[in-house]
Amino acid sequence: AQKITQTQPGMFVQEKEAVTLDCTYDTSDQSYGLFWYKQPSSGEMIFLIYQGSYDEQNATEGRYSLNFQKARKSANLVISASQLGDSAMYFCAMREGRSRDMRFGAGTRLTVKP
Amino acid sequence: DGGITQSPKYLFRKEGQNVTLSCEQNLNHDAMYWYRQDPGQGLRLIYYSQIVNDFQKGDIAEGYSVSREKKESFPLTVTSAQKNPTAFYLCASSGWTNSYEQYFGPGTRLTVT
Repeated sequence: AQKITQTQPGMFVQEKEAVTLDCTYDTSDQSYGLFWYKQPSSGEMIFLIYQGSYDEQNATEGRYSLNFQKARKSANLVISASQLGDSAMYFCAMREGRSRDMRFGAGTRLTVKP
Repeated sequence: DGGITQSPKYLFRKEGQNVTLSCEQNLNHDAMYWYRQDPGQGLRLIYYSQIVNDFQKGDIAEGYSVSREKKESFPLTVTSAQKNPTAFYLCASSGWTNSYEQYFGPGTRLTVT
C-alpha cells in the first residue's frame, strides 16, 4: 500500500510568492518522522526539514515550514518568498517507529517563474 | 569536507554483466542505504545496513547484492539477474540523531544496453 502520497505532479509559482506542496501519509505507528527533500536537476537529494510525530509545533527551517496536521495525516511543505533556485523536484518521506529506513512519495516538480 | 561520494557519476554496461557501484562516507554514520530512482518517480529502497557486516533487504532487493565490510563503505552490485537495471542509483547515510535524517551522495546513473 502507498504510504506517502503526493498528488501534485507539477506546480508553478511566481517568484517571491509562497507555495504549498501537499503530502499525505499512512501509518499505524504512533511514533514516526516526516521529511522533505529537494532534488535539483543535478540529482542529489538535499534534506530540507523534519517533523516528528510527537512534535507539538510545526517545523521551520528558514523559508521552509512544514504544515503538520496529524489528524488529517498531512505534512505539507510551505516555501515562502520563492526564488528561481527553488525550481526542483520535492519529495516527502516517512520513517516509522524505530526503523531508520524511509519511504518516499512520487514527488512534485516545482517551477518558479520570474 | 565530510560527505558521501559515489563513483562513477555515469556507468555504461552490456546486458549480462555484473556491475558494482561504489559508495563511501566520511561522516562517521553507522547506517547506509541504497535507493533506485526511475525517471519521473520517487526513490525505492534496495538495501540498507545499520552496522558493519549486517544489512537488510528493502522493497526491491531482487537482482542486487551488497556488502558492508567497513563502516565507511557500502558497495552495491547490480547483477545480471536484475531485469531492468538502467536507473539512477543513490546512496545515503544517517547517524544517531533525533530524526535519523539521511544524507545523500551525488548518485550514479547506470545505463545497461
